[in-house]
Amino acid sequence: GAVVSQHPSRVICKSGTSVKIECRSLDFQATTMFWYRQFPKQSLMLMATSNEGSKATYEQGVEKDKFLINHASLTLSTLTVTSAHPEDSSFYICSARENSYEQYFGPGTRLTVT
Amino acid sequence: GEDVEQSLFLSVREGDSSVINCTYTDSSSTYLYWYKQEPGAGLQLLTYIFSNMDMKQDQRLTVLLNKKDKHLSLRIADTQTGDSAIYFCAEINGANNLFFGTGTRLTVIP
Repeated sequence: GAVVSQHPSRVICKSGTSVKIECRSLDFQATTMFWYRQFPKQSLMLMATSNEGSKATYEQGVEKDKFLINHASLTLSTLTVTSAHPEDSSFYICSARENSYEQYFGPGTRLTVT
Repeated sequence: GEDVEQSLFLSVREGDSSVINCTYTDSSSTYLYWYKQEPGAGLQLLTYIFSNMDMKQDQRLTVLLNKKDKHLSLRIADTQTGDSAIYFCAEINGANNLFFGTGTRLTVIP
C-alpha cells in the first residue's frame, strides 16, 4: 500500500510554545489529507480535513486558531498546535487519501506538553 | 448520526481463527474498512469491502458484510502472535469521511 510519513514521531514541548507536525504522502499525490487525534485506549477522532491549496474544514469542537493546518502541496500537510497546554498532549495521526476509497495513515506523533 | 460498534476485547489461541465483529448504522456507506493498529503506531489498512459485496477474501483475511443487518466481520485464519493489535472497523459517512468504531483489542495466546 501507499506510504504516509509523519515527523516528528515524538515531541515534548513546554506549555505556551507551538509545535509543528509534518505529514507527507511519499509515493502518491493525496487529494485530501486528514488529521486525527487519539486519546489512550480510545478510537480516532477526526479533527480536520484539508485539500491542497484551500482552507481546512474543521470538525465541530476543534479550535481552528489553535490547530493550524496548512496543506501546502499534494504531498505535504502540516499541523501546528499553537500555545500548547498539557491538555493538548495526545497522539496525533495524519492520513492521506489516494483516491475516493483508499485512505492511508501515518505512524502518528506523540505530543507531550509539560 | 453514525455509530459504529465493536466488542472491546477478543482473546484467541495461536493457530485458531479470530472473528472480529462490527455493527454500523449508516446504511448509505459505500465502503467499509478494517484497519490494524499496533501499540504506539498508526493505522494499517488491512482490507475494505464495497457495499454491494457480501464477501471478500485476501489471504488469511475474510470480510463478510451483511448489509441488511448492517453487520461487518473480519475473520483471521490461523491467527499468529503478530496479529495481536487493535482492529478498527470504519465506514465512510455522509461527509465522505472515515468514521471509526471503538476498536477491538485482539490478544493471541501462544
